[in-house]
Amino acid sequence: AQRVTQPEKLLSVFKGAPVELKCNYSYSGSPELFWYVQYSRQRLQLLLRHISRESIKGFTADLNKGETSFHLKKPFAQEEDSAMYYCALSGQGYSTLTFGKGTMLLVSP
Amino acid sequence: DADVTQTPRNRITKTGKRIMLECSQTKGHDRMYWYRQDPGLGLRLIYYSFDVKDINKGEISDGYSVSRQAQAKFSLSLESAIPNQTALYFCATSDLGNGYTFGSGTRLTVV
Repeated sequence: AQRVTQPEKLLSVFKGAPVELKCNYSYSGSPELFWYVQYSRQRLQLLLRHISRESIKGFTADLNKGETSFHLKKPFAQEEDSAMYYCALSGQGYSTLTFGKGTMLLVSP
Repeated sequence: DADVTQTPRNRITKTGKRIMLECSQTKGHDRMYWYRQDPGLGLRLIYYSFDVKDINKGEISDGYSVSRQAQAKFSLSLESAIPNQTALYFCATSDLGNGYTFGSGTRLTVV
């Protein structure tokens, strides 16, 4: 069975502070990991995926297979980063996505 | 124009009523999904379809049914709505190997 754990329901930081949203997963094979973002009252949007290894809006995430983690990081948070962030996993063969419960990021001025 | 369109955007219905939520897409994707979002629970998969003739149950399919009328259309039905089906429902599409594209959601309230 595949499982995604986001241990923090809420993360509150000040503008300019570093941000790390934690994501741990459980999967026996080689997963594909994603981060999705949901701004207030909007649809979920793909933020980044581990396979592309790109940085979007200053966010990066590295897949650590040893620690089964895919933490999302940004060196300097901005107020517009305030949103709900979901980590998600897809198993081999591009099966369905399993989502974590989400972390709400609040960036204060 | 939205890639994935859900109707209605909001709906209030009474316990015991049958209700259908509709989803259409212009992405040309074969794969379509229905999720529900609840505070503190994240998104949970209800049903999914990898092509027009394929329907699969997800994590929480009890009380729901679906119909894949065409590649572009995937509807979700609640045969007899109950209050704990009050939630935000999202439709999504994908093609092989890429992330999902989500609709704007349908906020359903069962009273």
